[in-house]
Order: sequence, then C-alpha cells, then structure tokens
Amino acid sequence: DTAVSQTPKYLVTQMGNDKSIKCEQNLGHDTMYWYKQDSKKFLKIMFSYNNKELIINETVPNRFSPKSPDKAHLNLHINSLELGDSAVYFCASSLGLGETQYFGPGTRLLVL
Amino acid sequence: SQQGEEDPQALSIQEGENATMNCSYKTSINNLQWYRQNSGRGLVHLILIRSNEREKHSGRLRVTLDTSKKSSSLLITASRAADTASYFCATVHSGNTPLVFGKGTRLSVIA
Repeated sequence: DTAVSQTPKYLVTQMGNDKSIKCEQNLGHDTMYWYKQDSKKFLKIMFSYNNKELIINETVPNRFSPKSPDKAHLNLHINSLELGDSAVYFCASSLGLGETQYFGPGTRLLVL
Repeated sequence: SQQGEEDPQALSIQEGENATMNCSYKTSINNLQWYRQNSGRGLVHLILIRSNEREKHSGRLRVTLDTSKKSSSLLITASRAADTASYFCATVHSGNTPLVFGKGTRLSVIA
C-alpha cells in the first residue's frame, strides 16, 4: 500500500488551462504539504495544512488553490496555467509540523 | 535566508568508498533532516537529528551535527551503486517552522 499517493503522475497541458492534482495519505498524519521542485532540483514549499486548516501559504500566485476535504487528502488546483508552472509537484505528510515528512512520487507537470 | 546549503554540489566516487556530504545553515534549528531522492522519484527520509544530539547512525549512514558551527554531515560508508541519488538536508527552525530544503548533493557511485 502506498503511504502517500498522487494523481496524475504526468500532466501535459496547454497554457491557460485549469488543472488539478490530487494527493492522499493513509498514514493517519495531521499535516500535509505541497512542494514545487524546479528544473534545478530546488524544492520549495507552497502550502501546508494541519487538520484541514491552512497553516502555511508561501508566496505563491493565487492561481494556485489548495483544498483539503478531509485530513487524508490535500488537492491542488491551478488556474490559467503558465509556462513557468512546469515543474514536479510533490505532496508530503507528517505527524506534525517540523517532523519527518513522507513524500508522494510526484506529479510532472509540463505546460506547453 | 534560512535555507541550508549542501556541499559539494556533486560527488562521484567508486563503489566501496565512503561518501561525505556537508550541510550548513544560518539560524538556530530544532532539528535537521537528511533525505534521499532517486532520479524521477519522491524524497525518502533518512535520518532526523535534533539540536541536542551530536551524532546518529542508521545502517551505513552516520549523521553528525555541530550547532556551534551550524553544520551537519552525512557519511555513507562502503557505498554501493544503488546509493546513487541526490541527498538533501532540511532544517526546522525555532517555532517548528516547516522544513527548509537545501539544493542537494548529487552523488554518483560508480561500480
């Protein structure tokens, strides 16, 4: 059983489209995250939720909107996709903020 | 910036040799964590070391922490080709902030 899963694994889309990435964890963790990893492998946190509440919202364009329907799920919706949004997006979860994180396999987004 | 900095950026060694990677940071930490990322995969947690600890071991991995120098090192002994990956340090600063990742060290172990 995969602890942290993401769908889809690959996403190729046109500029201007709207897309969603889904994340689920079966670890019983309270805290979930979205990260963006650019082509230089730099990993930057975007959002963090604790018990379905947004606790961290880094400087991210408001075209990105996270949604946590329950503690086990954290989805990421992106409006009006731009070329610069092309990256790998990772979901992660942890027992609490600052604790060991468990990462999903990543979603490779390519905006054409 | 609180971001950790790994050194070296890239490291290439022969199988069986030891690999040492370093991480430096700028402000006080609660804990420091090391992660591994194989090509095309997600990050995998290796070791967490708290600010009051100086050394931790896990199998062939040894992590040290020197809070006076604001630095940590990851030693992989008797490296294997399967250790080829990028290694990231991540710091948690005072107030239990989220992890701040460095840019990683790309390790290549040649068989």
